[in-house]
Amino acid sequence: SSELTQDPAVSVALGQTVRITCQGDSLRSYYASWYQQKPGQAPVLVIYGKDNRPSGIPDRFSGSSSGDTASLTINGAQAEDEADYYCNSRDSRTFWVFGGGTKLTVL
Amino acid sequence: QVQLQESGPGLVKPSQALSLTCTVSGGSIISGTYYWSWVRQSAGKGLEWIGCSQTSGTTSYDPSLKSRLTISVDTSKNQFSLRLNSVTAADTAVYYCARGLQGRSAYYYYYYLDVWGKGTSVTVSS
Repeated sequence: SSELTQDPAVSVALGQTVRITCQGDSLRSYYASWYQQKPGQAPVLVIYGKDNRPSGIPDRFSGSSSGDTASLTINGAQAEDEADYYCNSRDSRTFWVFGGGTKLTVL
Repeated sequence: QVQLQESGPGLVKPSQALSLTCTVSGGSIISGTYYWSWVRQSAGKGLEWIGCSQTSGTTSYDPSLKSRLTISVDTSKNQFSLRLNSVTAADTAVYYCARGLQGRSAYYYYYYLDVWGKGTSVTVSS
């Protein structure tokens, strides 16, 4: 089982803001990274570090962290944002660990 | 633009070894301090980090796979590889290779996988 806990599913109305969370003890020591995965495709890095976006990732994606919880926020969700989202962090036991994933539905 | 490409057999018999290779193109595998990583995903399930290797030879493995797993880097071929022994049906998955990095902010370190291969499907079956 994952050492990082995510809600299995979240939904958001088109154009609204949604927050996806990730909870785990390791997040008190390390920032999470976030990945978007669409069906049949490889994951894509969307947020890393405190709040860094790789080139090509829209600025509606942002990251934050407080205590043992990291969050990925999408401001003005678009239809193309519908995907599975995974958090990932360094871990004292496994070196690297993923959360269980959150399926985002854009209504 | 660095790209990664997995290769290997799509079908492996139970109890045999699974061997996959990831070829790095568009850059040198020794050009920085990277964690050359493998991640897998069973059908309908989430991502599972398997392990990684640095070009120094330092490796880290998921504890549940450690006894069966070897990840190595071949700098002469610009490749890194995975070998998983004694496979069972539970090892059936899409296997991804990825490049990992470490960064540091004022307070925290952070680790992330910035480049991924497209993935290769492996089925364990007789």
